[in-house]
This record gives sequence, structure tokens and C-alpha cells, in this order.
Amino acid sequence: QQQVKQSPQSLIVQKGGISIINCAYENTAFDYFPWYQQFPGKGPALLIAIRPDVSEKKEGRFTISFNKSAKQFSLHIMDSQPGDSATYFCAASLPPPGGYNKLIFGAGTRLAVHP
Amino acid sequence: EPEVTQTPSHQVTQMGQEVILRCVPISNHLYFYWYRQILGQKVEFLVSFYNNEISEKSEIFDDQFSVERPDGSNFTLKIRSTKLEDSAMYFCASSSQGAATVNYGYTFGSGTRLTVV
Repeated sequence: QQQVKQSPQSLIVQKGGISIINCAYENTAFDYFPWYQQFPGKGPALLIAIRPDVSEKKEGRFTISFNKSAKQFSLHIMDSQPGDSATYFCAASLPPPGGYNKLIFGAGTRLAVHP
Repeated sequence: EPEVTQTPSHQVTQMGQEVILRCVPISNHLYFYWYRQILGQKVEFLVSFYNNEISEKSEIFDDQFSVERPDGSNFTLKIRSTKLEDSAMYFCASSSQGAATVNYGYTFGSGTRLTVV
């Protein structure tokens, strides 16, 4: 119930292509869904986030698509660049009082963008 | 841009020894967290801390672990008697609010790599 399942485990995309990473969850009480980007040796950094009352959010080349009925959400990276090569984590959080911003992370997707 | 600072960046310790990992959260943040990431695996929640007490902890955070905010700026994670399986990257994070917001999430530090030998 508390898990977030992420796929694929790794992804190779050509420069300029679209990278798509998917996540699924079971607990319908989750109300906050962020995506984090992590470079080697660094901590996760917030990339983009969405709440379940919105079906899509776009920030620059990054878009979250959210399907509440399917309990799935995905990250789309348009015009992927070699600098986007990193590990991406989806996450979910419960609202207070059940959650004090505790994040439940997916297993991560290692993205490699080839020039 | 404000940062969460963690020290040391790498710590090697012998099994059974105590270690203290240190963090300086962002100055006006009120909520503090520790997470760990075993090499190649996902980031796992350990504990959250608010108003000078633990607000939530995971099953990983057993009696060997403790957290403290000894002064107004530091937030520490202590492991009393380290085990080989404690080897991981430990991340501190802080946030200004208890409720996650769409436009401002956690800020994570760069982590401390703990190696237990």
C-alpha cells in the first residue's frame, strides 16, 4: 500500500528524443507526487511535482502526466539532452496528519542520453 | 541558493563503533529528515523531526539510531553500534512546511557516504 513502483530501471535515449518514466501507486491517500533528479555523488533535487487534482503539469522540457483513476503518473522529458543523464526518482507523500512530508520513493530510473 | 550541508562527505568506521553524521539544515526550515540510500537502490525514509521531537520513524530506525538537534543550527544522526549493513549514503533534508507544496519540496544535502568495515 505504501509502495511506489517505477519503471523502467534504465533507459537509453538519443539526444533530442523523448524520455518517458512511469510510476504507479496503490494508496489513494497520497496527495503529492514529486520527481527528483539525482546526479552521481549528489543528493536528490526536486525537478517537478504535481497534486492529484491536476492531470498534467509542464515546466520547460519536463512534463508530469497524472492519471488518478489508473493510479499512475509519468515523467516526460522532451528534447532529451546529454546533461539530462541522471537517475530519476518518482515519489509520493501523504497529507498531514498522516505524513509530515515523508517521501516514499520509487526504485529509480537511470537515464542515459546519447549524443 | 540555500543549501543543506552535510559533514563528513565520507566516513569509514569499524563495525561496532558509534558514528555521528552531521547536518546543517536551511536556516528558516522547521522540518528535518534523514534518508538513506544503499548503493544502487532507492532512497528510504528513516526519520522526520519537528519541534524538537521525532514525528515519524521507519522500521529501519531502530534503537541503534537516534537524532538530535543540539543547537539552533545542527541536526545529527547517531548510530550507536554500526553494522556492515549500515553502509549506505545518508541524506539529510529539510523543509519549511509540514505539508508538501507543489512549488517547494524538500531540499536534500549531498549526503554522507558511510562505510562500515
